[in-house]
Amino acid sequence: SAVISQKPSRDICQRGTSLTIQCQVDSQVTMMFWYRQQPGQSLTLIATANQGSEATYESGFVIDKFPISRPNLTFSTLTVSNMSPEDSSIYLCSSGLAGGNYNEQFFGPGTRLTVL
Amino acid sequence: QKEVEQDPGPLSVPEGAIVSLNCTYSNSAFQYFMWYRQYSRKGPELLMYTYSSGNKEDGRFTAQVDKSSKYISLFIRDSQPSDSATYLCAMRAGNMLTFGGGTRLMVKP
Repeated sequence: SAVISQKPSRDICQRGTSLTIQCQVDSQVTMMFWYRQQPGQSLTLIATANQGSEATYESGFVIDKFPISRPNLTFSTLTVSNMSPEDSSIYLCSSGLAGGNYNEQFFGPGTRLTVL
Repeated sequence: QKEVEQDPGPLSVPEGAIVSLNCTYSNSAFQYFMWYRQYSRKGPELLMYTYSSGNKEDGRFTAQVDKSSKYISLFIRDSQPSDSATYLCAMRAGNMLTFGGGTRLMVKP
């Protein structure tokens, strides 16, 4: 399995500010994914982070709001920009195994964000 | 209508019971079916995945897929208090996973 860490584990932010979440994988992986999990709800894919190219965003999510970086095969960041209380959620990073088996996705512990 | 439906529970059972968790789906393009376990304040943990219809067993866990009915199940035998968690089904078509809403399971000693 892949071991994934995220920083910060939690944060409380003011409306209008931005927060960058870091995700580190213990092995080189082709794709990394960013999800949002709102309280009591399931996971919604925000975007797929590709190394060396722009992220691919799902419907309802845009680059200006959730810019993503993927500088190498083990690291990615997600920024939540110009935050509002509606952005309060858990943000999760995930990856497959090296070799690209998308059936085995592993998740980080999540970043719990509260926007006041 | 959501693509993947899952009863949110909570489902409360006594220790040692057989637990049945289920999901239904509407997208016939789904080919791979996964079950994740998520403890409170943790990320989801992959339990197992299956391809197409049939059963797959791993220890106390059995995953079952019925593509004709668009219905998948996870059975937990001899349930333990440590199994208390939220169980999420997920399905894949292409590279994207679609998750159910999760069922909260409580196993009481």
